[in-house]
Amino acid sequence: TQLLEQSPQFLSIQEGENLTVYCNSSSVFSSLQWYRQEPGEGPVLLVTVVTGGEVKKLKRLTFQFGDARKDSSLHITAAQPGDTGLYLCAGGFKTIFGAGTRLFVKA
Amino acid sequence: GAVVSQHPSRVICKSGTSVKIECRSLDFQATTMFWYRQFPKQSLMLMATSNEGSKATYEQGVEKDKFLINHASLTLSTLTVASAHPEDSSFYICSASGGLAETDTQYFGPGTRLTVL
Repeated sequence: TQLLEQSPQFLSIQEGENLTVYCNSSSVFSSLQWYRQEPGEGPVLLVTVVTGGEVKKLKRLTFQFGDARKDSSLHITAAQPGDTGLYLCAGGFKTIFGAGTRLFVKA
Repeated sequence: GAVVSQHPSRVICKSGTSVKIECRSLDFQATTMFWYRQFPKQSLMLMATSNEGSKATYEQGVEKDKFLINHASLTLSTLTVASAHPEDSSFYICSASGGLAETDTQYFGPGTRLTVL
């Protein structure tokens, strides 16, 4: 059974700080996705990483896929209150989700 | 980008009634649709996978007689919660994919909040 573990589960930081969220598994994934979900809404896809070692940037967000395709990370530079939300990593055909990282950025 | 809609967005019903939730892919044909359930402050849990024209595949622990899924066309899947009870109250989210490969992107609907009194 494929499982995805995310850490930390909760993060509260000040505006302007940097942070990294991790997504780890003992299984190999063909691809991993990162989503952001706001309360009462469905997840919104941020990025899909496919190639081992791949790095993708989306403005202040940097996503990395591990060389062995078992883990991924999301780094946010100079976090803003608008980054507040639930960040989910997911993978596999049935899209197994990690437990999520709830980020709160204080102004 | 691809858009997936859900209807209704919110429903409140009495215990014992059945509730139908629709999931539509608006601008693409969805070969596969997925139904998830999300309890407060928890992640999404896959309930079932449905392919157009065939029976849905349910995850372990999900009662297929209680959560009836019909994927009647390439743009519509429905989830019916039969004889809903308060413990069925949750946020139900569907997603749709245009392909069968693991790397095919899934597009998520906005979710349906079900409250059973």
